[in-house]
Amino acid sequence: EPEVTQTPSHQVTQMGQEVILRCVPISNHLYFYWYRQILGQKVEFLVSFYNNEISEKSEIFDDQFSVERPDGSNFTLKIRSTKLEDSAMYFCASRVAGGNEQFFGPGTRLTVL
Amino acid sequence: AQSVTQLDSQVPVFEEAPVELRCNYSSSVSVYLFWYVQYPNQGLQLLLKYLSGSTLVKGINGFEAEFNKSQTSFHLRKPSVHISDTAEYFCAVSDLGNQGGKLIFGQGTELSVKP
Repeated sequence: EPEVTQTPSHQVTQMGQEVILRCVPISNHLYFYWYRQILGQKVEFLVSFYNNEISEKSEIFDDQFSVERPDGSNFTLKIRSTKLEDSAMYFCASRVAGGNEQFFGPGTRLTVL
Repeated sequence: AQSVTQLDSQVPVFEEAPVELRCNYSSSVSVYLFWYVQYPNQGLQLLLKYLSGSTLVKGINGFEAEFNKSQTSFHLRKPSVHISDTAEYFCAVSDLGNQGGKLIFGQGTELSVKP
């Protein structure tokens, strides 16, 4: 069964460093998402992406964040200069065009020291 | 704007007992409703969804939920829980009119099933 994959599973970085979180959505899906979950809190929407552009972003998704689909398979989330408060689990999700179910990856745990 | 409230942060229950996890939502437009489950150290898995039609929705692992428009609720139920149902459960809404289809999640309910 096809699934969304994410790498790495755990990323540790120093404050101020850039990180890139990678996702491989399900191959025939066209809508892509990033969500985050700070430890003990709810899952929060960051950004949605369709047709090679951002379709919606939340207040959290400021200038420090960017997303990219560099090739036909990967979908990345970049944080330019990480802060302590960026420590969270980051989930990638995807869905087909016209569908309503989002399929989630296993997440990347980001720890900023 | 939509919001989701899960009224119970933790629900302890004994094995084979029934359980209800409560979810209320707020929206000025029609929405899709979802329940996701998160097992320890794993991602989110869809349990069930309400799009339209019958207000009683059946999902995987014996779970069901009932959409109540007048009470803006979408409570999740299972008549007899197993130890393996121990997990975090998230209720979520998606705005029908939002082409991007972002999900707005509740705070989550930790279901703990004890022998």
